[in-house]
Amino acid sequence: NAGVTQTPKFRILKIGQSMTLQCAQDMNHNYMYWYRQDPGMGLKLIYYSVGAGITDKGEVPNGYNVSRSTTEDFPLRLELAAPSQTSVYFCASSSGLAGGLSSYEQYFGPGTRLTVT
Amino acid sequence: AQSVSQHNHHVILSEAASLELGCNYSYGGTVNLFWYVQYPGQHLQLLLKYFSGDPLVKGIKGFEAEFIKSKFSFNLRKPSVQWSDTAEYFCAVTKYSSASKIIFGSGTRLSIRP
Repeated sequence: NAGVTQTPKFRILKIGQSMTLQCAQDMNHNYMYWYRQDPGMGLKLIYYSVGAGITDKGEVPNGYNVSRSTTEDFPLRLELAAPSQTSVYFCASSSGLAGGLSSYEQYFGPGTRLTVT
Repeated sequence: AQSVSQHNHHVILSEAASLELGCNYSYGGTVNLFWYVQYPGQHLQLLLKYFSGDPLVKGIKGFEAEFIKSKFSFNLRKPSVQWSDTAEYFCAVTKYSSASKIIFGSGTRLSIRP
């Protein structure tokens, strides 16, 4: 299994540009998440999904959009990029099956380092 | 609202020293607790987790953590650190039976002097 994969690894955007960060998992996990990691701030949840067709906002959703058309993919869309969105973005997944001890463990992708100038 | 506090932002130790990283959470109900580690240039991976039962949890690479419910704490310990333990460590909490939202602490950077 490849686990959780993310593309691209690095990207530089100009202010006002748009882009989509790709995330895919091959573990048949129900739950998927997007986080941003800023220095000294830990991880902040942007959006999450509990299954195909179902998404919900996390702690810092403004400026982002997501969709979940399949179990495997969970792309994150940035519209009108701003310097405040400069960060490292991590995608994660978990099985989310009720009652299983392993269901809450999140598996993380390698991250995408985004710079907006 | 749930929150997780890691009071040590940067800890510097010599090899073979003992380690304890603090983690406190604010949530009155039953919780699941985690420690994740991020080695330089790598993604986060699970170090250990607590769901129920024995409050002393053992994880990978000789790490352990103790859940003290009365103190809302889940401190990470290791009796003797190695240079390879240099990494950033994140404590996280989620409401029991909820896999949808995990709240992460701000992280503690651990530097080990060889």
